Amino acid sequence: AQTVTQSQPEMSVQEAETVTLSCTYDTSENNYYLFWYKQPPSRQMILVIRQEAYKQQNATENRFSVNFQKAAKSFSLKISDSQLGDTAMYFCAFMKHNTFGNEKLTFGTGTRLTIIP
Amino acid sequence: GAGVSQSPSNKVTEKGKDVELRCDPISGHTALYWYRQSLGQGLEFLIYFQGNSAPDKSGLPSDRFSAERTGGSVSTLTIQRTQQEDSAVYLCASSLLPGGTDTQYFGPGTRLTVL
Repeated sequence: AQTVTQSQPEMSVQEAETVTLSCTYDTSENNYYLFWYKQPPSRQMILVIRQEAYKQQNATENRFSVNFQKAAKSFSLKISDSQLGDTAMYFCAFMKHNTFGNEKLTFGTGTRLTIIP
Repeated sequence: GAGVSQSPSNKVTEKGKDVELRCDPISGHTALYWYRQSLGQGLEFLIYFQGNSAPDKSGLPSDRFSAERTGGSVSTLTIQRTQQEDSAVYLCASSLLPGGTDTQYFGPGTRLTVL
């Protein structure tokens, strides 16, 4: 079974600063996917960024980037030039690769991020 | 196109009553997933559908929970004889590809409160 750990229940940062959210996971799988989802107060889970385990290059999406360390089973999210709209719960999630069937997402417990004006 | 939609947005019910929660996936998405988000348990997987079949029902917390999907589209999650511990946000997600390689897109959820 896979586990995902987010050790920072809450974080806050000043607007325009950079913040890094931590995530570690445990798995015996070699081929898998990692995700960061954002959940604002509206409750809608929004995909922030996705990383394929077979890719060595870290994924980036505009102000969002990850530091994927496969050997260390670490997957942190960096938010640059943080904005008020980044205030939300952030969930790290793991999914096994499965060519022929569906796989569930396994989530961490989340980090509540507050951007301070 | 439209995203995943869920109804109702909020549901308050009395203990012992049955409830039905509905999910409309993104058009053309073949895979559909149900998750539950509660204070005590965090985000947990309940069930997924590939087309109309649900090969893995192991995540359903008890036999009071059931789900179906018709026409490869809309899905209904039914909770019979609701208990207070069923209070949670029920999230639905869909993905395009039949394999486990595609991103899951979530709906806004249904907040269920059992009094």
